[in-house]
Amino acid sequence: GQQVMQIPQYQHVQEGEDFTTYCNSSTTLSNIQWYKQRPGGHPVFLIQLVKSGEVKKQKRLTFQFGEAKKNSSLHITATQTTDVGTYFCAGPEEGFQKLVFGTGTRLLVSP
Amino acid sequence: NAGVTQTPKFQVLKTGQSMTLQCAQDMNHEYMSWYRQDPGMGLRLIHYSVGAGITDQGEVPNGYNVSRSTTEDFPLRLLSAAPSQTSVYFCASSSTYGYTFGSGTRLTVV
Repeated sequence: GQQVMQIPQYQHVQEGEDFTTYCNSSTTLSNIQWYKQRPGGHPVFLIQLVKSGEVKKQKRLTFQFGEAKKNSSLHITATQTTDVGTYFCAGPEEGFQKLVFGTGTRLLVSP
Repeated sequence: NAGVTQTPKFQVLKTGQSMTLQCAQDMNHEYMSWYRQDPGMGLRLIHYSVGAGITDQGEVPNGYNVSRSTTEDFPLRLLSAAPSQTSVYFCASSSTYGYTFGSGTRLTVV
């Protein structure tokens, strides 16, 4: 079945440093979604990318969908302590709504 | 708008007991699903439903049953709890743009 891997599994940065997580799918995706889960919380939808090569920005967060639609990245510029959490990518299997989630990248930010 | 509501938030069960985790959404979403989250394992799909009366198995369905009698409700039943089912359970509903998750049920089976 479809597999979605993320690297790194864990990253610890100092506040103000940049952070990037990478997502790779074993199959071509119709779209890629990103979620953030704060410690002790539930995943929260951040964004969806649909087009090959698409780039979207949300304040300090930049999301990119690869040209082959099999990989994606999330880059955070100048991290803040509020960025702490686990970031998941997810891609649909068998159509649009059944999502396969990546393994997640846990981000820790020290002040 | 409440979104997705899960109850209970915490539960301790003895091995062999059964229980139902409740999930309700008020967004009129057709698609609903249940995931379990274990440390280092990410989110794994248990069961999902594309509409009332239709359910299907996900990646890890053994030991769980679901039903979907209404659009709003999607309960998850543990038939005979085992320690391996200790986990955090999330219910989610979806339109065509992203999942909305409930706040989760933290289940411990002793």
